[in-house]
Amino acid sequence: AQKVTQAQTEISVVEKEDVTLDCVYETRDTTYYLFWYKQPPSGELVFLIRRNSFDEQNEISGRYSWNFQKSTSSFNFTITASQVVDSAVYFCALSGPSGGGADGLTFGKGTHLIIQP
Amino acid sequence: DGGITQSPKYLFRKEGQNVTLSCEQNLNHDAMYWYRQDPGQGLRLIYYSQIVNDFQKGDIAEGYSVSREKKESFPLTVTSAQKNPTAFYLCASSHRPGQETQYFGPGTRLLVL
Repeated sequence: AQKVTQAQTEISVVEKEDVTLDCVYETRDTTYYLFWYKQPPSGELVFLIRRNSFDEQNEISGRYSWNFQKSTSSFNFTITASQVVDSAVYFCALSGPSGGGADGLTFGKGTHLIIQP
Repeated sequence: DGGITQSPKYLFRKEGQNVTLSCEQNLNHDAMYWYRQDPGQGLRLIYYSQIVNDFQKGDIAEGYSVSREKKESFPLTVTSAQKNPTAFYLCASSHRPGQETQYFGPGTRLLVL
């Protein structure tokens, strides 16, 4: 069975600090996809990134960066120079060979990120 | 604007009552999904549909039912058999089933009176 672990239940930092959200996954599949979503207080999940299991290149998008390491089954998310608007719950998710089709996404329990001004 | 809409935003259910949550998308996506979110928890899959007139049970389908008569619509009915329905319900869609990013609607919060 697939599993996603986000061990950090809540993180609180002061604005402009860098922060890393951890994600560890378990799967027996060789082909899979990893996702990060942001859930602001409004509740809607906002897609941030999708990465397939064959692409271990790190990705940077503005202040956001992702580090994918198959050797440690981790897909960590770093926010550089955090801002108050980054405050939200962040979810890491995993899909199997059929992506979200056959079994949907397996979600971690989320990390509540609080950015204090 | 293209997107996914869910209604109502808040829904109250009385004991023994069936209620239906609406989910509509105008993204021309083939696949649609329903998830349930409980406080402090991740999302869990209730039902999904890869194509019109077809749907499959997810991990927690008991007490729920769905239909997919139109590509744009995937309503979820919470039946009286669901003993603990209080939760946040999120609908999602993806362009094709499998290997595709899922995009989510704004959610419906269901409360039991």
